[in-house]
Amino acid sequence: QSAPTQPASVSGSPGQSITISCTGTSNDVGGYNYVSWYQHRPGTAPKVVIYDVSSRSLGVSSRFSGSKSGNTASLTISGLQAEDEADYYCSSYTSSSTFVFGGGTKLTVL
Amino acid sequence: QVQLVQSGAEVKKPGASMKISCKTSGYSFTSYYMHWVRQAPGQGLEWMGIINTSGGSTTFALKFQGRITMTRDTSTSTVYMELSSLRSDDTAVYYCARVPRIPPHYFDSWGQGTLVTVSS
Repeated sequence: QSAPTQPASVSGSPGQSITISCTGTSNDVGGYNYVSWYQHRPGTAPKVVIYDVSSRSLGVSSRFSGSKSGNTASLTISGLQAEDEADYYCSSYTSSSTFVFGGGTKLTVL
Repeated sequence: QVQLVQSGAEVKKPGASMKISCKTSGYSFTSYYMHWVRQAPGQGLEWMGIINTSGGSTTFALKFQGRITMTRDTSTSTVYMELSSLRSDDTAVYYCARVPRIPPHYFDSWGQGTLVTVSS
């Protein structure tokens, strides 16, 4: 099972919007709507921000949104804030009844 | 409130085994599957496997099959993950994370992480 592909890094200035892609296959991202996104800061446990492709987790800012087209899921953060700086990972259920994480994307707020 | 509390950091020698615990509270233990995820230094999150907390069945990522075991104790609402034949590249922070038995399927609560260092 190969990990879905994410860009290693993205950056943006405060107030801008960024999008992180997560490209898998029809056996994971493309085959199921169980795609979720996690925000991970050093020294802390990951925190879910989006689940089921586009549902925002409780308490997560409306600036976070998710979508999917074919085998690629995307996380968009609008109105970037300094506190959004973190690593972001997509995750998907797979046809093997397992889960897989994307390689992760480091978001830098300039 | 929901809590997943993991056992403390460990240092192991190559070839040894490790066993980490994840004690849960604040919810119905068998209403959630439990997963284990790890992060090696400078690397991303890696899914290791899942245990059905009700029946005890397990599914593991291919790369760990043969040297990983997951068990649970329903009387104490605790899950365990044992990894054998440790190598230096098993040095990582290990997390337990729960997923609801019924959809939606995502990791909605995580343990604090356990650092395991494999070094001679």
